Amino acid sequence: SQQGEEDPQALSIQEGENATMNCSYKTSINNLQWYRQNSGRGLVHLILIRSNEREKHSGRLRVTLDTSKKSSSLLITASRAADTASYFCATARSGAGSYQLTFGKGTKLSVIP
Amino acid sequence: DGGITQSPKYLFRKEGQNVTLSCEQNLNHDAMYWYRQDPGQGLRLIYYSQIVNDFQKGDIAEGYSVSREKKESFPLTVTSAQKNPTAFYLCASSQQDGGYTFGSGTRLTVV
Repeated sequence: SQQGEEDPQALSIQEGENATMNCSYKTSINNLQWYRQNSGRGLVHLILIRSNEREKHSGRLRVTLDTSKKSSSLLITASRAADTASYFCATARSGAGSYQLTFGKGTKLSVIP
Repeated sequence: DGGITQSPKYLFRKEGQNVTLSCEQNLNHDAMYWYRQDPGQGLRLIYYSQIVNDFQKGDIAEGYSVSREKKESFPLTVTSAQKNPTAFYLCASSQQDGGYTFGSGTRLTVV
């Protein structure tokens, strides 16, 4: 079952602009993660934010987490053509007794040079 | 370099045939996973294993089987019972409570 839902489904921006993607989920989580997937390739882990954290940075990436609203956002600043990819959020449920991630359907980002 | 290797990259299956997808990791991760990806549907969990000689069904296990005889290896067999096997298959591994490392995927096509 899909736990995370990304919004928008597709996003097209000019190089240098910022890109914001959102993720909503339904149940309590242990952590939330963001991944990138280039076309036809495996997923690459970008960042993990735990349920007791509100914001995390990694290079040009900024992730926020609002557990009261069950939502997260991924901001990519000063986008580049190489950022063109699909971005997925994934949630690890709290108290699940095992470590599994449930992925959303992804946001397809196109950065136009 | 540590990583996770999937093979083959492309695989073609005839009707009624079983095929096995390979997944090997040298990251010393305890847990391994198999996901299926169809266009527009994100990733769906097929099977996962947290420890050698133990594995659990995911959301869409019907028509698939796995084994975990070694920590490094988690092969997936797509059986003839899987009626719509054409998809992109992704293997991943992780330590508890950490990010996943994914392989580069196997694209399976029924011919």
